[in-house]
Amino acid sequence: DAGVTQSPTHLIKTRGQQVTLRCSPISGHKSVSWYQQVLGQGPQFIFQYYEKEERGRGNFPDRFSARQFPNYSSELNVNALLLGDSALYLCASSLGDRVRDEQFFGPGTRLTVL
Amino acid sequence: ILNVEQSPQSLHVQEGDSTNFTCSFPSSNFYALHWYRWETAKSPEALFVMTLNGDEKKKGRISATLNTKEGYSYLYIKGSQPEDSATYLCASPTGANNLFFGTGTRLTVIP
Repeated sequence: DAGVTQSPTHLIKTRGQQVTLRCSPISGHKSVSWYQQVLGQGPQFIFQYYEKEERGRGNFPDRFSARQFPNYSSELNVNALLLGDSALYLCASSLGDRVRDEQFFGPGTRLTVL
Repeated sequence: ILNVEQSPQSLHVQEGDSTNFTCSFPSSNFYALHWYRWETAKSPEALFVMTLNGDEKKKGRISATLNTKEGYSYLYIKGSQPEDSATYLCASPTGANNLFFGTGTRLTVIP
């Protein structure tokens, strides 16, 4: 079975641009979460979606938005990119949104903002 | 937002040594504690999800314990091998399973 997939693998953008990152969850998983990981820190929670509804939002500005589609795939959008948005963006899927549901991570998208 | 802390930040051990590291989390409004292993150039891999005070879980040479009353969990690796070299992350969720991670313990096992 395919694991969580993310695209693109790498991305280079300039300040002020907009970016869309994509995630396909494991088949049968209905929850997708997004995390940002910068060097030296653990992943930081950005959003969680379950059954196409937002279930949680981390401490990120409104420039960050996301959505989940009927097939449970998800997109993360970041507008007006700043240098500080350079990071590894991880997507994770789980069967549901219960606290004991194991989250399965994708390989990430490495975003570099110049 | 939950304050999850891990120590030590990094650790070097000799092959065959046993080792352990700590994860601290707020003991109030506790829901669960997740442990992950993250090898370089790979995706984070779930090791354990623990929910009950006194829980002990084991997977091969790796085990974990949980104390929800005092807000800590220990991860133990018995007889470390070079392939155990990775960053070990713990995370505690809010009620909707939004995971808040610590900064991780970077383990290097020297052959």
